[in-house]
Amino acid sequence: AQSVTQLDSQVPVFEEAPVELRCNYSSSVSVYLFWYVQYPNQGLQLLLKYLSGSTLVKGINGFEAEFNKSQTSFHLRKPSVHISDTAEYFCAVSVNYGGSQGNLIFGKGTKLSVKP
Amino acid sequence: DAGVTQSPTHLIKTRGQHVTLRCSPISGHKSVSWYQQVLGQGPQFIFQYYEKEERGRGNFPDRFSARQFPNYSSELNVNALLLGDSALYLCASSLMTEPYEQYFGPGTRLTVT
Repeated sequence: AQSVTQLDSQVPVFEEAPVELRCNYSSSVSVYLFWYVQYPNQGLQLLLKYLSGSTLVKGINGFEAEFNKSQTSFHLRKPSVHISDTAEYFCAVSVNYGGSQGNLIFGKGTKLSVKP
Repeated sequence: DAGVTQSPTHLIKTRGQHVTLRCSPISGHKSVSWYQQVLGQGPQFIFQYYEKEERGRGNFPDRFSARQFPNYSSELNVNALLLGDSALYLCASSLMTEPYEQYFGPGTRLTVT
C-alpha cells in the first residue's frame, strides 16, 4: 500500500533564507508525486508535480523538488523564502487501483512559518 | 474557464442531522473525487465517481454516500452527523486520462455542533 510521510510538522525560517520540506513515500509501483500548498481557510493549490523524465521539477512561486527513486523521496526546496510563503504544504502520491485512478494519498502536512 | 466550484462555502449542522454538499467539475472533466480534511491533517480520500458510477471508496462509514449526475456534477451526502465529521470537504475533478491529475475546488467547511 502507498503511504506518504512528511518528516517535519512545522518549519520556522527567516525571510530570504533557503528552506527544504521533506517528503518520503512508500509504493510498490511507479507513482506520480505532487506538492500542494494551502493558505489559511483556502483549498489546495498545485505547486508542482513529478510524472516522469527529469528528476528535478520546477513549480510555481520559485519552488522546486527533486525526485529520488532510490531514497523514495520528493523533497521541496526554495532558495529564498518570502513572508507570503507562510502556509501549509502537502506532499501527495497518486494511486491507481481497481477502477479508481488518480486519487491522492496525502502526508499530514508541513506548516511553513516565515519570519521577518 | 471556471475551475471546480463547491457549495455552500460554510455550513453549521447539529449532531444527528443530514448534510448535502455540491460540486461542479471543470468543463470537460468527467471524474469527481471527494476528500475530507480534518483540522491539522492532510486530506483523506472518500469517493471517486466517473461517468455516474462509483470508481473508488475510501475507509469511511456507510453514513457517507455520493452520486454523480449526467452533467458530471456531484453531491456528497452525510447522514447522522457526528462531531468528528467537522472538516473541510474538498472536491476534485479530473479528465480520467493519464496522468489523472486532480484539480481541487475551494472546499466546504462543515461544522457539526
